[in-house]
Amino acid sequence: KQEVTQIPAALSVPEGENLVLNCSFTDSAIYNLQWFRQDPGKGLTSLLLIQSSQREQTSGRLNASLDKSSGRSTLYIAASQPGDSATYLCLKGGYQKVTFGTGTKLQVIP
Amino acid sequence: DTEVTQTPKHLVMGMTNKKSLKCEQHMGHRAMYWYKQKAKKPPELMFVYSYEKLSINESVPSRFSPECPNSSLLNLHLHALQPEDSALYLCASRSTGTYTYNEQFFGPGTRLTVL
Repeated sequence: KQEVTQIPAALSVPEGENLVLNCSFTDSAIYNLQWFRQDPGKGLTSLLLIQSSQREQTSGRLNASLDKSSGRSTLYIAASQPGDSATYLCLKGGYQKVTFGTGTKLQVIP
Repeated sequence: DTEVTQTPKHLVMGMTNKKSLKCEQHMGHRAMYWYKQKAKKPPELMFVYSYEKLSINESVPSRFSPECPNSSLLNLHLHALQPEDSALYLCASRSTGTYTYNEQFFGPGTRLTVL
């Protein structure tokens, strides 16, 4: 069974800090890696998508990287803000099957 | 239009009821997904439709019955559910490009409570 693990499970940082969220997977067969945020009780908002042929993607204060050989993706958030508080999920894409990571709950303290 | 819509937003049903969840997208996506999400857990894949055909069923109990009547619409028919089926049900869609595996777009979900 595919496993996708996110560490840490929870993170609390003061506003303004730069931070890194990790996503590790055991099965190296990957088509893409997508990062989402989810606010409590809400649906998922797509943040970044990295194709398997790419190394990284950037959007504003967010930068995501993918290293297939080590089975790892990281999401870097620069200059964190209270509005960044949410649960962050990575989604590993296979040809049709997809697997979500376990999630990281982020709290940014003003 | 990059929107996936889901109705209803909330649903409360008894264990003997029959109800349906609806998901719609008009982005021309030919892959559509149903996920189940319990509190404080990541979404779990239930079903995948590709070109209106069921391509993945993740051993979901038969009391959940998916249907894809056309390329824009995805239904999930519910019958004889159990209280442990209470969860947020999420729908997603994805375009089926030839050389890239494109991003999934998610709807806001239906919050289901089974009494």
